[in-house]
Amino acid sequence: AQSVTQLDSHVSVSEGTPVLLRCNYSSSYSPSLFWYVQHPNKGLQLLLKYTSAATLVKGINGFEAEFKKSETSFHLTKPSAHMSDAAEYFCVVSDRSGGGADGLTFGKGTHLIIQP
Amino acid sequence: DGGITQSPKYLFRKEGQNVTLSCEQNLNHDAMYWYRQDPGQGLRLIYYSQIVNDFQKGDIAEGYSVSREKKESFPLTVTSAQKNPTAFYLCASGYGQNYEQYFGPGTRLTVT
Repeated sequence: AQSVTQLDSHVSVSEGTPVLLRCNYSSSYSPSLFWYVQHPNKGLQLLLKYTSAATLVKGINGFEAEFKKSETSFHLTKPSAHMSDAAEYFCVVSDRSGGGADGLTFGKGTHLIIQP
Repeated sequence: DGGITQSPKYLFRKEGQNVTLSCEQNLNHDAMYWYRQDPGQGLRLIYYSQIVNDFQKGDIAEGYSVSREKKESFPLTVTSAQKNPTAFYLCASGYGQNYEQYFGPGTRLTVT
């Protein structure tokens, strides 16, 4: 079985400061991990993905995430927040075991607020 | 939003009416998915299809129906049996199980 926990439902940072969105996962197998972003009333856009290659993954818009197996974490970071980063972020896990109807499990989301 | 289109963007219906949400993709993906999104609950899987003329129930299939007659199309019908149909509905497609999915822009359904 697989699960994913986004540790913060809301994160607020000032523009120009670093962003950290935390995600922990549980998986019985070697997982694939994804981060998606959703702006209000829009669909989800893939930010980045980890699929057992390099543990530090770079994505779009300056975001990156590090896969840490020992900590079962896949936190999303960005060095300097921009106003356009304000959105909902979802951490997603797939353990390739077929667990769940479609193999993907979504976190409940973290709402990122950017203060001017 | 890639090559996935959903229509309409906003939809209003009276209670007791069936309504069909459209989803089309031109990404040549075999798999397609329907999710429901409610505030603070993330995404919940309604139905998915890995291949034409075949589909499976997800976690919250009651009150919904789908068809997959063409690879490009995966319409979702919200029936009158769905007790709380007002929500944001997202369609996605992908290469199959365990791969990333690509999402459409969503349809916001309001039933009164």
